[in-house]
Amino acid sequence: DAGVIQSPRHEVTEMGQEVTLRCKPISGHDYLFWYRQTMMRGLELLIYFNNNVPIDDSGMPEDRFSAKMPNASFSTLKIQPSEPRDSAVYFCASRTGTRAGELFFGEGSRLTVL
Amino acid sequence: RKEVEQDPGPFNVPEGATVAFNCTYSNSASQSFFWYRQDCRKEPKLLMSVYSSGNEDGRFTAQLNRASQYISLLIRDSKLSDSATYLCVVRPNDYKLSFGAGTTVTVRA
Repeated sequence: DAGVIQSPRHEVTEMGQEVTLRCKPISGHDYLFWYRQTMMRGLELLIYFNNNVPIDDSGMPEDRFSAKMPNASFSTLKIQPSEPRDSAVYFCASRTGTRAGELFFGEGSRLTVL
Repeated sequence: RKEVEQDPGPFNVPEGATVAFNCTYSNSASQSFFWYRQDCRKEPKLLMSVYSSGNEDGRFTAQLNRASQYISLLIRDSKLSDSATYLCVVRPNDYKLSFGAGTTVTVRA
């Protein structure tokens, strides 16, 4: 069975450029989460969706970050303009509505902003 | 104060040893608790849930102390493959999981 699929796996970009990260959740999962992981701050929840609707975006650092989920099988996280402090691993995760403790993570997108 | 706090370690132990570590959580109303495992440069994966009465999964034992608001994980008969970062996870409400920063365990031959 396919797990959560993220792309790109690695991205190196220059400050000021737009970055788009993509995620395909596991089919049938109605919750989707975007996390960011750094050495300093660990795993931070940025935003989550339920049935494609954004429910809580209080973790989004600032207006430079935006996320969409146009349908049940696709989500994007966009950073515009990117800054060096955005360098991190961005994880997408999904789960069912019944097993709230079991998140299935993608392999992550490692972003480096120069 | 962080929602979930863990000793980052590292805990360096020989194969076959027992290693145990805790985490503390700040929200007394938290509903459920978990341990996730994260290998180097990989994604986190659920290791086990933590039940009020304590529970075992093979060589792994998890305990919950609600009064003192801490969770523990004990690994018996450590294997080289147990080397990883163990993330303490708390569910303070219906949708959110709060992750600790992780405890790194290194098992040496």
